[in-house]
Amino acid sequence: GESVGLHLPTLSVQEGDNSIINCAYSNSASDYFIWYKQESGKGPQFIIDIRSNMDKRQGQRVTVLLNKTVKHLSLQIAATQPGDSAVYFCAEAHTGFQKLVFGTGTRLLVSP
Amino acid sequence: EPEVTQTPSHQVTQMGQEVILRCVPISNHLYFYWYRQILGQKVEFLVSFYNNEISEKSEIFDDQFSVERPDGSNFTLKIRSTKLEDSAMYFCASSQGPDEKLFFGSGTQLSVL
Repeated sequence: GESVGLHLPTLSVQEGDNSIINCAYSNSASDYFIWYKQESGKGPQFIIDIRSNMDKRQGQRVTVLLNKTVKHLSLQIAATQPGDSAVYFCAEAHTGFQKLVFGTGTRLLVSP
Repeated sequence: EPEVTQTPSHQVTQMGQEVILRCVPISNHLYFYWYRQILGQKVEFLVSFYNNEISEKSEIFDDQFSVERPDGSNFTLKIRSTKLEDSAMYFCASSQGPDEKLFFGSGTQLSVL
């Protein structure tokens, strides 16, 4: 069956550190992966996505890495800031997708 | 930046009552979705909607649920006879196309008593 899971439920870092949030997926048919950020009282906010024909994609202060061999996805946040504190979800989908399968979420806590 | 808006932000209802959750998707988007998140659990897909019909639904989306686009701007989720287990945060989302990123609203917290 499909499943997307996160290894660490809570990650605590100091301001300025780099953060790495991990995600494992089990559906090898998935070819589109997305990271969302959810702040308290808000809906999921798109951060970055990657398709299965890529291994790495960079955005502003964020990088997503995809390892299809071990079905692993990671989100790297450079120079983490207190405003980055939130719950981060990975999600997977198929091309032409109609539904996203979300992981359980990792809470990122950034201390000043 | 355009955003998906949802109303109300909180809805309290009695078990067995009907509720309608409302959403205004981003104006040039063509695909609309409902997801829900029970407290402490994953965000779960409910239904997708395109061209005035349901294109995909999950096993959660049973006969008690329905969706509608009553006019050119609103997208609604109706639960006919609410159950205690329907208590959750309901998120509306929209996208320009089937392979485009989803933009989510802030959600409606539904509490069934």
